[in-house]
Amino acid sequence: AQTVTQSQPEMSVQEAETVTLSCTYDTSESDYYLFWYKQPPSRQMILVIRQEAYKQQNATENRFSVNFQKAAKSFSLKISDSQLGDAAMYFCAYRAQGGSEKLVFGKGTKLTVNP
Amino acid sequence: NAGVMQNPRHLVRRRGQEARLRCSPMKGHSHVYWYRQLPEEGLKFMVYLQKENIIDESGMPKERFSAEFPKEGPSILRIQQVVRGDSAAYFCASSWLGQAFTSNYGYTFGSGTRLTVV
Repeated sequence: AQTVTQSQPEMSVQEAETVTLSCTYDTSESDYYLFWYKQPPSRQMILVIRQEAYKQQNATENRFSVNFQKAAKSFSLKISDSQLGDAAMYFCAYRAQGGSEKLVFGKGTKLTVNP
Repeated sequence: NAGVMQNPRHLVRRRGQEARLRCSPMKGHSHVYWYRQLPEEGLKFMVYLQKENIIDESGMPKERFSAEFPKEGPSILRIQQVVRGDSAAYFCASSWLGQAFTSNYGYTFGSGTRLTVV
């Protein structure tokens, strides 16, 4: 079974600085998708960024970028120029190619942004 | 487009009662997914449905839990004889024709229902 591990229960960053959240996963599949979701106190799950495993290029969405290391099964999220609104729980998630469309989530990292 | 609507937002039930959680998918979406988030945990998949069909229920507890997505109306997650361990946030997500990940947006999640069993 696939598993997703987020080893940092909590992280903090100063406003305008850069922070990196770690995620590792375990799978025997070669094709899959990886995601980072943000969950603010409102509980809404917001997709931040996605990566297809067959793509070597790391995904980027404005201030958010990933470092995808397929051989190491690592998928970290970098947030640049952190803003107060970035404070939230961040969840890494995995989905296999084909079959059911279920996501496997890590336990999350709580990010605090200090002014 | 109103997004994925879940109600109620908060639900309190006494042990032994039934809980019914509703999810109205985004307009045009025919696939619904239910997830449960226990305190201090990530979301865990429960069930994947399309209208009038259960596609994957591998994450559903064997007893007391059931889900449906009728031809008309919202999807319902039903928990019979609730126990304290059922207290959690329950999230619904929807997608179009089972192609959540061929778009740039993946699923669309609702804001969840927080169930508290007292």
